[in-house]
Order: sequence, then structure tokens, then C-alpha cells
Amino acid sequence: AQSVSQHNHHVILSEAASLELGCNYSYGGTVNLFWYVQYPGQHLQLLLKYFSGDPLVKGIKGFEAEFIKSKFSFNLRKPSVQWSDTAEYFCAALPSGTYKYIFGTGTRLKVLA
Amino acid sequence: ETGVTQSPTHLIKTRGQQVTLRCSSQSGHNTVSWYQQALGQGPQFIFQYYREEENGRGNFPPRFSGLQFPNYSSELNVNALELDDSALYLCASSLGFATNEKLFFGSGTQLSVL
Repeated sequence: AQSVSQHNHHVILSEAASLELGCNYSYGGTVNLFWYVQYPGQHLQLLLKYFSGDPLVKGIKGFEAEFIKSKFSFNLRKPSVQWSDTAEYFCAALPSGTYKYIFGTGTRLKVLA
Repeated sequence: ETGVTQSPTHLIKTRGQQVTLRCSSQSGHNTVSWYQQALGQGPQFIFQYYREEENGRGNFPPRFSGLQFPNYSSELNVNALELDDSALYLCASSLGFATNEKLFFGSGTQLSVL
């Protein structure tokens, strides 16, 4: 079955630390990949997306993600986190030709000031 | 703000009852999709509507049904509620139905089934 796995359920970092959140998907065909973020009390919003081309994509607020096809991975990174990055982060896959987004279970990030 | 509003924000029902959740999309957004997010899980795709017709469905039973109206509003109906239906229900709208469309999410309706 198609699925998205996020390995870290809870992450706690100090400000200025580097961040990497893991995401793996299981689907053998072409897939579009996304990271969504939900800040406390707010709605889900798009952080970045990958469809094709350069496997390193840059999103808002200094986030980036790298698509590694051979590893079925799309990890999210940020060199230096801020307290305002405290949020829940969801990785999602959209198999080509479908409208069924498949979300991971999310990673709760807490950044300590 | 995404321009997508959902009502009500919270709802309590008992097992066996029926519920209607509402969503108002951004003006001009012809596609709306609904997701169920259980506690500790990611959103799960229920179905999608494009110009008032269902054009995609996830692994949910027929007691989950929907409607989309020409005024960019939509409904999710759930019949014969079960305890496991307790979840946050999210709607998301987009301009069209191409796979590169950005989804705009509402804040959700928290449904509790007792």
C-alpha cells in the first residue's frame, strides 16, 4: 500500500541548531512530494513542493528539502532553527495521475529559546 | 489566512447520529477535498469534488458523502456515526484539479462521537 513514513514524532531543538526531518514514501511510480506545516492554532500551509527537475527545493522561511529517488526520501532541512519554527510538520506524497494526497503522521518540532 | 472557512469548529454527536460539516472555499476555487485527521495521525483523504462532481475517493465507506455547490461551498455528510469517526475534519480547496495545484486548508471541524 502507498504510504508516507516520518521517522521522528517529536523533536526538541535549541535555537540555532540545525534541523533535519526524515520522510520516506512507498510508491514505485512518479510522485509529487510536499512538506506542509501547521503552526500552533493555525491551519495547514504549504512549506515547499517537488514535482520535477532540481531535486533540491527551497521553500519559505529558509527551509529546503532534497528528493533522493534511490532512497524514496524527501527530507526537510533548515540550517538554523528559530523559536518561531515550533510547529507540526507533515510530509505528503501525491502519486502521479491521482488526487489522493498521502500524508505522514507528522513531526512535532519544539524549538527552545 | 487561506480564505477557506469551516463550520462548526467543534461538534459533539452520539453514535448512530448523522452529521453535516460545512466548508466555504476561496472564490474561484473549483476543487474541494476533504480529509479526516485522527488524533496523532496525518490527514487521510476522504474524497474530492470538482465542479460539483466527485472525482476521487479514498478508503472510506459510503456513509461518508459530500456535496459541492456552485457558490464554492461544500458539505461533508456522515451517516450512522461510529466512535472511530471522532477526528478533525479538514477541507482544502484549490483552483483546479491539476496535480501541481496548491491546497488551501481550513482550520477544521473537531468532531467527537460519544
